Amino acid sequence: LAKTTQPISMDSYEGQEVNITCSHNNIATNDYITWYQQFPSQGPRFIIQGYKTKVTNEVASLFIPADRKSSTLSLPRVSLSDTAVYYCLVGDRDTGRRALTFGSGTRLQVQP
Amino acid sequence: GAVVSQHPSRVICKSGTSVKIECRSLDFQATTMFWYRQFPKQSLMLMATSNEGSKATYEQGVEKDKFLINHASLTLSTLTVTSAHPEDSSFYICSASSGSDYGYTFGSGTRLTVV
Repeated sequence: LAKTTQPISMDSYEGQEVNITCSHNNIATNDYITWYQQFPSQGPRFIIQGYKTKVTNEVASLFIPADRKSSTLSLPRVSLSDTAVYYCLVGDRDTGRRALTFGSGTRLQVQP
Repeated sequence: GAVVSQHPSRVICKSGTSVKIECRSLDFQATTMFWYRQFPKQSLMLMATSNEGSKATYEQGVEKDKFLINHASLTLSTLTVTSAHPEDSSFYICSASSGSDYGYTFGSGTRLTVV
């Protein structure tokens, strides 16, 4: 599985856009990039997944450059409730029989 | 969407006793379930993978006789922490997969405190 590197922590204020970048230099051809969000004392929650270019859903956008060696999770206009740990995972889109491997994640703190 | 129910959400037990944690997939059949452990301010660490009707596969360093995993049906997996000790205090999270395209769903976690 490709190793990922992301900032340990980030601070932001309400209403700002937050961009969290993840490096995955050894990403394989079949690998997808997936981001999870985890609130304190809760299980992780799927946010977004992509393979290349840009993916957008109602929660976030995911930007993936052509070389796919990094990706950026963009959270538009964050609120206090977006304070959480965000994990970037890279792996092939298999049938779900292999466990997800979580890195250290990025702890986002949103201030009022 | 897919829902995984994990129970109890928190439990306090005495040292030396056993605790069972349940993980249920409510609206799908979970062919594979995963159990993670998470210590404060740390990431999730995989403990074991279980397929319905088969013995669980444990990660290196996880004692299979201490952390008993049963996946007897397609909707239920249990993790029993036997002879719990204070160092077993942690946040335990299950994840279930339906085997479909990237079908991972996580439970809400169980906070175990051993006193």
